[in-house]
Amino acid sequence: KAGVTQTPRYLIKTRGQQVTLSCSPISGHRSVSWYQQTPGQGLQFLFEYFSETQRNKGNFPGRFSGRQFSNSRSEMNVSTLELGDSALYLCASSLASGSVNEQFFGPGTRLTVL
Amino acid sequence: GNSVTQMEGPVTLSEEAFLTINCTYTATGYPSLFWYVQYPGEGLQLLLKATKADDKGSNKGFEATYRKETTSFHLEKGSVQVSDSAVYFCALSDRAGGTSYGKLTFGQGTILTVHP
Repeated sequence: KAGVTQTPRYLIKTRGQQVTLSCSPISGHRSVSWYQQTPGQGLQFLFEYFSETQRNKGNFPGRFSGRQFSNSRSEMNVSTLELGDSALYLCASSLASGSVNEQFFGPGTRLTVL
Repeated sequence: GNSVTQMEGPVTLSEEAFLTINCTYTATGYPSLFWYVQYPGEGLQLLLKATKADDKGSNKGFEATYRKETTSFHLEKGSVQVSDSAVYFCALSDRAGGTSYGKLTFGQGTILTVHP
């Protein structure tokens, strides 16, 4: 069974631009969560989607948004990029929305903002 | 709110040494607890989990016991190998109001380096 895939793997943008990251969950998984990983702040939860609905949201500004499609694929968008948005963005999928459901992580998208 | 605190790193050990990485948590509901491992250039892999008090999670020689009385979930391994070198994250997923959501709260991570 294929794992969680994220595209692109690496991305370089300049301040003020916007970016869209994509995540394809494991087949059959309906829940997708996004996390930001930085050396200073560690791993922080961005949001979770289940059946195309946002179920939970972390403490990030409105520049960070996401959506989920009917095939469970998810995208996240960051508008008006800032230098501090440079990070590894991780996507995780699970069968359903629930704390006992194991989350499977993708390799991440490394975003660099210049 | 919820939080997870891991012991300060990095941790450097010789092969076959005993490993302990401390993890304590604060949660408002009834959390499930996890240890994830991240190898260089990769995403996170679930190492083990425990969903209720006194549960013991184990995998690949690693163990951790959910201690509600001390709000802890310490990771242990009796004999580490060079291949265990990685970053280890303790995490919790809290259930609030009887509803579960897929939000993981992570500790800051502990870098483990094992020398031959």
